[in-house]
Amino acid sequence: GNSVTQMEGPVTLSEEAFLTINCTYTATGYPSLFWYVQYPGEGLQLLLKATKADDKGSNKGFEATYRKETTSFHLEKGSVQVSDSAVYFCALSDRNFNKFYFGSGTKLNVKP
Amino acid sequence: KAGVTQTPRYLIKTRGQQVTLSCSPISGHRSVSWYQQTPGQGLQFLFEYFSETQRNKGNFPGRFSGRQFSNSRSEMNVSTLELGDSALYLCASSLELAGAYEQYFGPGTRLTVT
Repeated sequence: GNSVTQMEGPVTLSEEAFLTINCTYTATGYPSLFWYVQYPGEGLQLLLKATKADDKGSNKGFEATYRKETTSFHLEKGSVQVSDSAVYFCALSDRNFNKFYFGSGTKLNVKP
Repeated sequence: KAGVTQTPRYLIKTRGQQVTLSCSPISGHRSVSWYQQTPGQGLQFLFEYFSETQRNKGNFPGRFSGRQFSNSRSEMNVSTLELGDSALYLCASSLELAGAYEQYFGPGTRLTVT
């Protein structure tokens, strides 16, 4: 079956540090992969996506590359800001099916 | 375009009562999915509606039900509320692009059962 595993949090970084949040997946077929971000008291916002192997999704300085050989979709950012503090969710969806599978979320705390 | 809207944003109910939550999707989106989010269980899929029909269903008891109207607006209902139903209920509307889906979430309804 399909599943997503992401690193346990919380992750605590100083402002301007490099961020990596690991995400691996198990899927049949060729899923699409996503990162969502949730700020306190809000719903999930789509951060970036990739729909096929070797695609790189990017948005607001965040990047993730769809690696089929390692079944991974790690989120990276070169220099985090305090405003990036939030919970990040990795997710996959089956192609041709609107069914999403979410990881457990990784809380990021960025200190000034 | 306006985003996904959910009403109400906050609800407090008593055990045994029932509750109805509403979701209006992004204009043009025909699919609406519902999720329950709790600190212990994370995001759990409840069901998805497309063109007024339930297309996918998660693993929740029959107390949880939903429907979708012809304008794509959706409601979910929880009957005989239990303390464990306290959660953030999220609605997501979907766009399909060449066989791949994207989900866009509303701000959620925070339900507290006392």
